[in-house]
Amino acid sequence: DIQMTQSPSSLSASVGDRVTITCQASQDISDHLNWYQQKSGKAPKLLIYDASNLETGVPSRFSGSGSGTDFTFTISSLQPEDIATYYCHQYESLPYTFGQGTKLEIK
Amino acid sequence: EVQLVESGGGLVQPGGSLRLSCAASGFSFSSYWMHWVRQAPGKGLVWVSRINSDGSSTSYADSVKGRFTISRDNAKNTLYLQMNSLRAEDTAVYYCARDGGTSSWDVWGKGTTVTVSS
Repeated sequence: DIQMTQSPSSLSASVGDRVTITCQASQDISDHLNWYQQKSGKAPKLLIYDASNLETGVPSRFSGSGSGTDFTFTISSLQPEDIATYYCHQYESLPYTFGQGTKLEIK
Repeated sequence: EVQLVESGGGLVQPGGSLRLSCAASGFSFSSYWMHWVRQAPGKGLVWVSRINSDGSSTSYADSVKGRFTISRDNAKNTLYLQMNSLRAEDTAVYYCARDGGTSSWDVWGKGTTVTVSS
């Protein structure tokens, strides 16, 4: 199985801050990576697909980059509504796997 | 409106069975691969199973292989997950998700809760 190591596991930042989350795959997954946002008690929501493509309707302050084994997810200017847990997800090979999540809080 | 609505969760004893359903609306269900994903209380997301658009191909996580069966009825726009020999560790919220292409899971249901306990 491909292991996805996401860091940090939690993060506290101020409104307007630039926030970065990283995800490392245990083997090359090309750009077969998605990022999801999950607010408390809600279903996950797709934000970024194929490592760097913004899902329709998602604000442009969200972005993703990377390929191979190292990936980055960025919020350029943190907003109060961005409080959530964020997950990376690889679909290079079965079983599909997720990072352990990054819980983002407002400072 | 594109929508997925799960149902069928509940409390079941260890060793018991449940069948989850996921009703799709607002899109051409028969054109999409579908997935089940679960989330244990306070834990992260775990992929469970997938099925292709016509139901001819399925895949499972090792943790559920041989116990769970994914299926679909395209005439009824419904996805299913038959869960047998349930264990305490199967306790979770179960989500169905649409595979929007290139495995971008772009539509999710709100989830249904399965609790396995005596």
